[in-house]
Amino acid sequence: SAVISQKPSRDICQRGTSLTIQCQVDSQVTMMFWYRQQPGQSLTLIATANQGSEATYESGFVIDKFPISRPNLTFSTLTVSNMSPEDSSIYLCSVEEKLGEKGNQPQHFGDGTRLSIL
Amino acid sequence: GNSVTQMEGPVTLSEEAFLTINCTYTATGYPSLFWYVQYPGEGLQLLLKATKADDKGSNKGFEATYRKETTSFHLEKGSVQVSDSAVYFCAFTNAGGTSYGKLTFGQGTILTVHP
Repeated sequence: SAVISQKPSRDICQRGTSLTIQCQVDSQVTMMFWYRQQPGQSLTLIATANQGSEATYESGFVIDKFPISRPNLTFSTLTVSNMSPEDSSIYLCSVEEKLGEKGNQPQHFGDGTRLSIL
Repeated sequence: GNSVTQMEGPVTLSEEAFLTINCTYTATGYPSLFWYVQYPGEGLQLLLKATKADDKGSNKGFEATYRKETTSFHLEKGSVQVSDSAVYFCAFTNAGGTSYGKLTFGQGTILTVHP
């Protein structure tokens, strides 16, 4: 399966600032996914990032708050903008198992970015 | 709509005890089902999967059988170890043949195994 690297692994930020999280995959993938895991909670999909087009956001998430870039087939970034304590979460990126194929495949995850907002 | 309901935790067991974590799902069509595990301080790892009815997924002594008639995918292990202490997530994806799948997760079940 693909190896997924996220940076930073953790950060402590001041409210009102923004942080960009990077996700690098060791092979080309069509779709990359960004999730949020709030403390003690399950994962919620933020958006799906497709190379060459705008990301598709889930209900409750907007581009102004979580802008996403997808400049090539191995890399994506998620920015958490104008942060508040409520944004303290783990942010994870993932890719589907069978690269380039569609359908009911599992996803593989990076180790996540643990973000705390003071 | 699509949803996953997992057994409420936390679950606390002694080493070598039998484990069951219940999971039921609500989905249209023919979803693929997964169990993920999250060890403390780490990301999610795929534990096992089943892609069609009556399939049994297995890995590291864990098993789960895709039961379409009861829309269930219960996780079992015959003898747990301390190292199995983690959070377990049941999930499914329900893509059609021409679309990529969005994963829907259950709320997670915390498992603690004592020596």
